[in-house]
Amino acid sequence: NAGVMQNPRHLVRRRGQEARLRCSPMKGHSHVYWYRQLPEEGLKFMVYLQKENIIDESGMPKERFSAEFPKEGPSILRIQQVVRGDSAAYFCASSPTTGPYGYTFGSGTRLTVV
Amino acid sequence: QKEVEQDPGPLSVPEGAIVSLNCTYSNSAFQYFMWYRQYSRKGPELLMYTYSSGNKEDGRFTAQVDKSSKYISLFIRDSQPSDSATYLCSQKGGYNKLIFGAGTRLAVHP
Repeated sequence: NAGVMQNPRHLVRRRGQEARLRCSPMKGHSHVYWYRQLPEEGLKFMVYLQKENIIDESGMPKERFSAEFPKEGPSILRIQQVVRGDSAAYFCASSPTTGPYGYTFGSGTRLTVV
Repeated sequence: QKEVEQDPGPLSVPEGAIVSLNCTYSNSAFQYFMWYRQYSRKGPELLMYTYSSGNKEDGRFTAQVDKSSKYISLFIRDSQPSDSATYLCSQKGGYNKLIFGAGTRLAVHP
């Protein structure tokens, strides 16, 4: 049973380009969460999605960032017109349902903006 | 005030020591707490979760919640070099999201 799969593991983008980060949840998990981790900082919540629905995007920057979790395929976190401050590790997590369960995290995508 | 506060350390202990990792939280409305371990350049992995007050034990690890003081703790007995990692406390908040502390970096030296 594969865990949460994220790709790419490392992504380098020039300022102004677009970054697309992909996340495939664990089998049977219908809830997906995206977190960002800056160097020497904890994980910051960005967005919570279920299939075809954004449930909570209170942690998403208002501009340039978007997320989706289509009926088929992985969840995508999209960052348009990247800036140096977007450099961070982006983690995706999934859970089977709501309730007293922890999440299973992927290994993350490390985005570097040059 | 941050919702979940955690001393970032670093904490350095000799092998075999008992380690105490602590966090405080501000929002009493949510009572599920989780501890994650994160090795360098890896994703966090769930160690334990607890509900409300009390203790929960799993092998060398014990998680404790004190509602009266809004304090959550993780104890590691007989610490090993392989325990060297960053430990993240978290509280499950509204809309099912986890709110994390900054993480405490632990080094266990032989």
